[in-house]
Amino acid sequence: ETGVTQTPRHLVMGMTNKKSLKCEQHLGHNAMYWYKQSAKKPLELMFVYNFKEQTENNSVPSRFSPECPNSSHLFLHLHTLQPEDSALYLCASSQDPGQGAGYGYTFGSGTRLTVV
Amino acid sequence: AQSVTQLGSHVSVSEGALVLLRCNYSSSVPPYLFWYVQYPNQGLQLLLKYTSAATLVKGINGFEAEFKKSETSFHLTKPSAHMSDAAEYFCAVSSNSGYSTLTFGKGTMLLVSP
Repeated sequence: ETGVTQTPRHLVMGMTNKKSLKCEQHLGHNAMYWYKQSAKKPLELMFVYNFKEQTENNSVPSRFSPECPNSSHLFLHLHTLQPEDSALYLCASSQDPGQGAGYGYTFGSGTRLTVV
Repeated sequence: AQSVTQLGSHVSVSEGALVLLRCNYSSSVPPYLFWYVQYPNQGLQLLLKYTSAATLVKGINGFEAEFKKSETSFHLTKPSAHMSDAAEYFCAVSSNSGYSTLTFGKGTMLLVSP
């Protein structure tokens, strides 16, 4: 399997639930990203991991907890979410962003999250 | 700091007509520039990128873009629109050295009518 794979594709959860989103890349990339895409809003970069270390956390609420056990896997753990957290969550990977971002990112198909 | 402005949240064209999607960028260092396309309920797919080689860049599906430093622009064009081109298009910028992440524009929805 190649590219960036995200599971599940769709997720409906209550505000008191705990769930996790999974992202896996088979491209040999060193960096992985979580983006949030809400209707009528620009793409929001949430977290950046480079060589398994978190290098960016863009003021994301603590109800979102990322985990990167190795360069190929990235998780987003969710708990006590709010309805406004409903969005498409996109994972991406790239070569080392410390060398500029000339290779661009490869995106997964996303997880459509609905919080009820 | 870097930023991207995409003019027009929606662009409508007829099938066979010229497609022009506008992107202007701001960057304090020489930029890398990208166009991505997103179909409904899908992730973003790279269309083309400028990385300081040729200023006219050709991408997939017949799209191309021209880097104009004097105008700080990177507009996306296609000579003849197809129905299958209907999607959302995102312009993005990064710096060409040092630690850098992509900064995306707000996107432009391309509508193609028969």
